[in-house]
Amino acid sequence: RKEVEQDPGPFNVPEGATVAFNCTYSNSASQSFFWYRQDCRKEPKLLMSVYSSGNEDGRFTAQLNRASQYISLLIRDSKLSDSATYLCVVRNNNDMRFGAGTRLTVKP
Amino acid sequence: EPEVTQTPSHQVTQMGQEVILRCVPISNHLYFYWYRQILGQKVEFLVSFYNNEISEKSEIFDDQFSVERPDGSNFTLKIRSTKLEDSAMYFCASTDGDTDEKLFFGSGTQLSVL
Repeated sequence: RKEVEQDPGPFNVPEGATVAFNCTYSNSASQSFFWYRQDCRKEPKLLMSVYSSGNEDGRFTAQLNRASQYISLLIRDSKLSDSATYLCVVRNNNDMRFGAGTRLTVKP
Repeated sequence: EPEVTQTPSHQVTQMGQEVILRCVPISNHLYFYWYRQILGQKVEFLVSFYNNEISEKSEIFDDQFSVERPDGSNFTLKIRSTKLEDSAMYFCASTDGDTDEKLFFGSGTQLSVL
């Protein structure tokens, strides 16, 4: 089983749509969880941390289920500028492991 | 906002040559990382560095790779004898290790091995 596994997509959605990404991780001792965003040929940038209680930042909602070792990201009211690759990231001690990413394209 | 800087942005080298990729992490950060991303593939962890020593490394980080913090500001990745498959974007990252744990990435060095 891969350390961090994501549906690669691509997800092609119209503007205004709601889209959800899922991620599973294999190490039950993982301590912290994040969603990063990566634009084409650019460095990853932190979108949001993921907390056990779930957290929201504007149109973005992240959920963590430790029992199922599952993380999700929900994007509401998609904008063209949301088009990017979304990376699930899991911290195990001193390293951060990345999922392969889910590609999102938002179309007019 | 403070940033991680990487040089050069592009590096072209011949197979078998040594390359050194340079990074200047954010000044008050304590944990440093190298990642690589082969074109079209995932971001792969190479190594983490804390308190002047390697704290974790992946299976990719073999004897051909080494890291160093030669002074108080630079953090370098050396590849001793480059192979074609080393061609990738190499990202340096740092974090203060605080509860935020936000990884700040540099803009990367695109390494092309010919």
